[in-house]
Amino acid sequence: NAGVTQTPKFQVLKTGQSMTLQCAQDMNHNSMYWYRQDPGMGLRLIYYSASEGTTDKGEVPNGYNVSRLNKREFSLRLESAAPSQTSVYFCASRGRLTEQFFGPGTRLTVL
Amino acid sequence: AQSVTQPDIHITVSEGASLELRCNYSYGATPYLFWYVQSPGQGLQLLLKYFSGDTLVQGIKGFEAEFKRSQSSFNLRKPSVHWSDAAEYFCAVGVPNFGNEKLTFGTGTRLTIIP
Repeated sequence: NAGVTQTPKFQVLKTGQSMTLQCAQDMNHNSMYWYRQDPGMGLRLIYYSASEGTTDKGEVPNGYNVSRLNKREFSLRLESAAPSQTSVYFCASRGRLTEQFFGPGTRLTVL
Repeated sequence: AQSVTQPDIHITVSEGASLELRCNYSYGATPYLFWYVQSPGQGLQLLLKYFSGDTLVQGIKGFEAEFKRSQSSFNLRKPSVHWSDAAEYFCAVGVPNFGNEKLTFGTGTRLTIIP
């Protein structure tokens, strides 16, 4: 039981490049989330998916797209990366009683 | 919309001393409340949660938190800290929404332990 896994762990992009962050969970959870964490700002919700086939914007969705591929997987795509998207990205899934389980994070640098 | 305030950005305590981390929330009713811990370079781990019932909640690693409705607070406590408790701590609030709850996180409190 791996919980929530994220790939890659680290990534460096140049401005304008695109990439997809992958997330998978093996806990049979319906809801999944993408957050970004920046110093002094806590975690901010980018997008979430309450169930397979649905996605909704969070607090900071601009510049991102998501895909809920199936119940296990929820990917985050940056179509044209900008330096302001340098951050640590966390994926989470929601278990019973609303607690969220987090992946180890992806550290992204955009030059 | 709900909000969370963690007024202390950084706290330093001596090993073996007691600890209290503050968390205040803004919401019109009783929300779901959580404390998470994040060690350097790691993801977030749930310490404890409050949904209803007994306002004193026990968590992992010897932590507890008390929900005080009158003060809109959910402070985290530990009677005696260990060096391994050095980490960043996040308070979060979730609004009940029929299974579609989202969490709002505070900005975190970084805990340093000195010998």
